[in-house]
Amino acid sequence: KAGVTQTPRYLIKTRGQQVTLSCSPISGHRSVSWYQQTPGQGLQFLFEYFSETQRNKGNFPGRFSGRQFSNSRSEMNVSTLELGDSALYLCASSFNYNEQFFGPGTRLTVL
Amino acid sequence: EDQVTQSPEALRLQEGESSSLNCSYTVSGLRGLFWYRQDPGKGPEFLFTLYSAGEEKEKERLKATLTKKESFLHITAPKPEDSATYLCAVQAGGTSYGKLTFGQGTILTVHP
Repeated sequence: KAGVTQTPRYLIKTRGQQVTLSCSPISGHRSVSWYQQTPGQGLQFLFEYFSETQRNKGNFPGRFSGRQFSNSRSEMNVSTLELGDSALYLCASSFNYNEQFFGPGTRLTVL
Repeated sequence: EDQVTQSPEALRLQEGESSSLNCSYTVSGLRGLFWYRQDPGKGPEFLFTLYSAGEEKEKERLKATLTKKESFLHITAPKPEDSATYLCAVQAGGTSYGKLTFGQGTILTVHP
């Protein structure tokens, strides 16, 4: 059974640009959650989607947004990038919330 | 607000030297407590989910236990390949759905 996949694996952007990250969940999983991981703040919850609906949102500015498609694939978008947005962005998928499986992450560097 | 505190921040062990990692939590109605292992540059790898006080789960050299205020991850006779960062997270009940609140992690190093 294929795991969670994320693309791209690495990104380099400059301040002010926007970026879109993609996540494909495990087959049959309808929940996709996104997290930001930094050395200082650790893993922080961004938002969660289930059947194309955002169910929960963390404490991040409106520059961070996401969506989910009918095949459960999800994208997150960050607009007007800031230096502090440099991080590892992780997505996790779940069938029934009893287990959440993470992808390898997208490493975003903002210059 | 849900909070998770892990201790110690870092732990160095000799191969075969058993020890425990601690995860203290405060949460409004615990739905589940999760343990993950994370290797450098990779996503967290799921280990266990515990749901109620008194519950225990085992996997190879790892055993996780849960009380009403904390969880322990016991590592028996560790090997160098057990070196990683171990993360603890809680999921609250109600409408929290897929939201996990993580601790800062414990960096485990096992020397041969």
